[in-house]
Amino acid sequence: GAGVSQSPSNKVTEKGKDVELRCDPISGHTALYWYRQSLGQGLEFLIYFQGNSAPDKSGLPSDRFSAERTGGSVSTLTIQRTQQEDSAVYLCASSKQRGNNEQFFGPGTRLTVL
Amino acid sequence: AQTVTQSQPEMSVQEAETVTLSCTYDTSENNYYLFWYKQPPSRQMILVIRQEAYKQQNATENRFSVNFQKAAKSFSLKISDSQLGDTAMYFCAFREGNTGTASKLTFGTGTRLQVTL
Repeated sequence: GAGVSQSPSNKVTEKGKDVELRCDPISGHTALYWYRQSLGQGLEFLIYFQGNSAPDKSGLPSDRFSAERTGGSVSTLTIQRTQQEDSAVYLCASSKQRGNNEQFFGPGTRLTVL
Repeated sequence: AQTVTQSQPEMSVQEAETVTLSCTYDTSENNYYLFWYKQPPSRQMILVIRQEAYKQQNATENRFSVNFQKAAKSFSLKISDSQLGDTAMYFCAFREGNTGTASKLTFGTGTRLQVTL
């Protein structure tokens, strides 16, 4: 079946602009995660959705970052007033449930802020 | 807070040889899971192997095996009979188990593995 998909694959924007990154999880996966991978760094947790529960936003670096998940499926990560330090690869993952099930990752969106 | 440390930024191994990637972690939890992920240039994160902390037996997946030392909080990955396709970034990751909201993964900074002819 189809894996996790993300769009766009690459995004170049100017400092101060808003951007939206999209994630389509695997069908039937109730948990969805966003991570950020800066150059030379590991993945940094941003936010996590599980079913109808309130999302865990503890990893969002500032109030310029927000995310929503509509209908328990597609998720959008929004970064307002982008800064150069926001440049990174943004990875989305989904899993069946919050147990010990594997997180399946999408190919990521590479964001470059000029 | 949990931390994951990978002290080897880069490693190189010849084809068909064996290489070991190191990982240490710090946690006060007793129930957790450990993972090794592979990230080739395509950026696609691929799960290589996982270990449940309550299991004493080291996990193995074909040419990949781990040496899990719970008391030392060490979780190394051994790749046997290395192949050119193993060239990638390898990330060690930690996840708490049996908690309310914390199923997020905490990653190390990665080890870049180059397999040479």
